[in-house]
Amino acid sequence: DAMVIQNPRYQVTQFGKPVTLSCSQTLNHNVMYWYQQKSSQAPKLLFHYYDKDFNNEADTPDNFQSRRPNTSFCFLDIRSPGLGDAAMYLCATSRENTDTQYFGPGTRLTVL
Amino acid sequence: AQSVSQHNHHVILSEAASLELGCNYSYGGTVNLFWYVQYPGQHLQLLLKYFSGDPLVKGIKGFEAEFIKSKFSFNLRKPSVQWSDTAEYFCAVIPYNTDKLIFGTGTRLQVFP
Repeated sequence: DAMVIQNPRYQVTQFGKPVTLSCSQTLNHNVMYWYQQKSSQAPKLLFHYYDKDFNNEADTPDNFQSRRPNTSFCFLDIRSPGLGDAAMYLCATSRENTDTQYFGPGTRLTVL
Repeated sequence: AQSVSQHNHHVILSEAASLELGCNYSYGGTVNLFWYVQYPGQHLQLLLKYFSGDPLVKGIKGFEAEFIKSKFSFNLRKPSVQWSDTAEYFCAVIPYNTDKLIFGTGTRLQVFP
């Protein structure tokens, strides 16, 4: 089945230690998104790629970076995680910006 | 400010009760509308969507939603809920002038047998 895959499902890191989360898709969608979701809150868009074009949200901290080496893969790099960065990180894909987004299972990040 | 509002934060129902969850948005112009569901421990899944056409849309698991343009609303309904409907429900909107999916704050539904 075509899907959005996120690895790992659970990630534990130490305060200030860089961490990378990965997302892959078999849907061949043009757009890939990264969201941050804290407990009992709505997902918050961090940034997205339309093909290779990177679009950062104005309020996304510089601590968060992303890479999309090809259509199928997208990475979220957190350069110096703080305690406030503990959250579920969701990857999503869509064919076009206004189309339905399909979400992966998420990576739950714990910062010690 | 432009936003998506879900007025019911927490809803508790008994099985077989009817459900209506409110969703209002404040964007003018063309929008695409969605309801997503997040079951405990699972990922966000699409329940239904409205892009154009018949304003009454049917989704999976017996859910439906009605788009009322004049009221900027897209309320979710189900005539008879089941225990397995216990989940968090998110209304979301893509305004054409932003191309971004904007989520409401979510409604937590608990259904008791």
